[in-house]
Amino acid sequence: DTEVTQTPKHLVMGMTNKKSLKCEQHMGHRAMYWYKQKAKKPPELMFVYSYEKLSINESVPSRFSPECPNSSLLNLHLHALQPEDSALYLCASSHPGQGIDEQYFGPGTRLTVT
Amino acid sequence: AQSVTQLDSHVSVSEGTPVLLRCNYSSSYSPSLFWYVQHPNKGLQLLLKYTSAATLVKGINGFEAEFKKSETSFHLTKPSAHMSDAAEYFCAGGTSYGKLTFGQGTILTVHP
Repeated sequence: DTEVTQTPKHLVMGMTNKKSLKCEQHMGHRAMYWYKQKAKKPPELMFVYSYEKLSINESVPSRFSPECPNSSLLNLHLHALQPEDSALYLCASSHPGQGIDEQYFGPGTRLTVT
Repeated sequence: AQSVTQLDSHVSVSEGTPVLLRCNYSSSYSPSLFWYVQHPNKGLQLLLKYTSAATLVKGINGFEAEFKKSETSFHLTKPSAHMSDAAEYFCAGGTSYGKLTFGQGTILTVHP
């Protein structure tokens, strides 16, 4: 099973709302990632978790708060977002380790901030 | 620092003709390189990866890529395009701490 699932598929939220994105994988991967992708652009890395610990934060604003409750789950908590935060949010997972392993991506959550 | 450059933002081919999507990389060390495909409003799907085992890498859906160190290139090819190949393609380089560096993407259009 090489599947990464993400919920919800679509999310519309106001600037004062609090919402969460969820990502799940059952491939035994111990590295998980959040990316943000704007239209006609490549994905931009936001956060990396390795063995459930945050290892990379690409200077993301604090209105985005990641959480890794266990090795299969990754959440992204959203609060007080801006319209420019509207984008496709992608989750990915991989084996961390000595080599450079491929990342498997979920289908994404299309976020619209109004 | 590692960087990946996709030389064409758009490529247009006719169905049944060959596909060539070009990618150059710069790196001071042997890279790991990947090609991903993204259909509209979908996530990224891995097509193939290079990790120094063989210079010619075969992937899914008939795609392959050749790693040429002398040219710092990792171009993606397919002998015969299918309508379902129409999508955006991303070349990416990997680092040992898990970060992928993506090229800007190439949109492939396939005409009947």
